Amino acid sequence: EAQVTQNPRYLITVTGKKLTVTCSQNMNHEYMSWYRQDPGLGLRQIYYSMNVEVTDKGDVPEGYKVSRKEKRNFPLILESPSPNQTSLYFCASSYSGRGTHGELFFGEGSRLTVL
Amino acid sequence: AQSVSQHNHHVILSEAASLELGCNYSYGGTVNLFWYVQYPGQHLQLLLKYFSGDPLVKGIKGFEAEFIKSKFSFNLRKPSVQWSDTAEYFCAVNRGQGAQKLVFGQGTRLTINP
Repeated sequence: EAQVTQNPRYLITVTGKKLTVTCSQNMNHEYMSWYRQDPGLGLRQIYYSMNVEVTDKGDVPEGYKVSRKEKRNFPLILESPSPNQTSLYFCASSYSGRGTHGELFFGEGSRLTVL
Repeated sequence: AQSVSQHNHHVILSEAASLELGCNYSYGGTVNLFWYVQYPGQHLQLLLKYFSGDPLVKGIKGFEAEFIKSKFSFNLRKPSVQWSDTAEYFCAVNRGQGAQKLVFGQGTRLTINP
């Protein structure tokens, strides 16, 4: 089954304790991206990756890091989480390149609470 | 800056009512348009999309949307809603540049009362 898998789905942590949210897709998509969803603000892009070893900042990258060592995985790293990073996070993937239109496939979301 | 506006933040309807959710974007030229739906506690799923051709597109679950280029709009419609349509709906637009340039609206929460 084609899917985007995120872990953990729920996490409560404390300020400053490094954490990683994993994302894996089995569709051989070149493009992957992380979004955060906050009430009234919709989805805002954090980072994206066009392919292995190619990453770039989205609209709200501060406080986050990513890596793309393998095509299927795109982890989101919070080196020193703060309460304003409490949010619902979505990973998404897509084919990229000429002729593609940007249809995204989303993971089920990771709800993070930073105390 | 590119922007996508969904003017209705929360819409409440009764079952069998007709639905129209507005979506406007702020730039011209070639665009790809999407509506995504997020049911309570679930991830976003594609409802329908427009790339080219007939500006009236049909999606899943009886939804349709009309692209009106002159109005920079891509409104979502359904003639008769059901309780199971309760969800949050997101409009998204890119300028034909692929997923990395996809911009989402703020979302519209739809509540259907039985």
